[in-house]
Amino acid sequence: QQPVQSPQAVILREGEDAVINCSSSKALYSVHWYRQKHGEAPVFLMILLKGGEQKGHEKISASFNEKKQQSSLYLTASQLSYSGTYFCGTENGGSQGNLIFGKGTKLSVKP
Amino acid sequence: DTAVSQTPKYLVTQMGNDKSIKCEQNLGHDTMYWYKQDSKKFLKIMFSYNNKELIINETVPNRFSPKSPDKAHLNLHINSLELGDSAVYFCASSQSGGVRELFFGEGSRLTVL
Repeated sequence: QQPVQSPQAVILREGEDAVINCSSSKALYSVHWYRQKHGEAPVFLMILLKGGEQKGHEKISASFNEKKQQSSLYLTASQLSYSGTYFCGTENGGSQGNLIFGKGTKLSVKP
Repeated sequence: DTAVSQTPKYLVTQMGNDKSIKCEQNLGHDTMYWYKQDSKKFLKIMFSYNNKELIINETVPNRFSPKSPDKAHLNLHINSLELGDSAVYFCASSQSGGVRELFFGEGSRLTVL
């Protein structure tokens, strides 16, 4: 079952913050976050496995709610290099390794 | 050294032809995947192979057949190509257990005319 990502697109000025959400109607085994720049392959950012978990990667962090049905990616003090499409990928408990991606959120950071 | 490599990077062909895309990983991972990314940038899993066994086969047409000669290679063969097959195909690999981070190849852009 494909997770639902929102918003579809975000336009920011450098230094602004953004939040990208990823939700499922069922409890998940894990959530992965990837970033894909134009013309390139997706690149892994982080994985969240535990309900209530929060994880950070420089100024990019993510959370996984207690019910393990929603994850949010937080981008603070955005930089031009943050531009790209962000995908969440989810695993269900019965099919680990079967990573289903959301439709992506296109983030554009302007000077 | 490239971790996950795909060939060719670009492929232009006529409807009805048969084509293959090759993928190799040198990370020692035990699982490899094929993903299709269409013009709307949706990333859809097509297949995964774990230790040379197909463990996921999504609802893709049987014109698509993955072939894994060993755990470092997962090739994609497509028969009777159709216009709707035009997309970027990404190969990826991961190690089961633990983080299971996906490492993607650079992608192969297939254009069917």
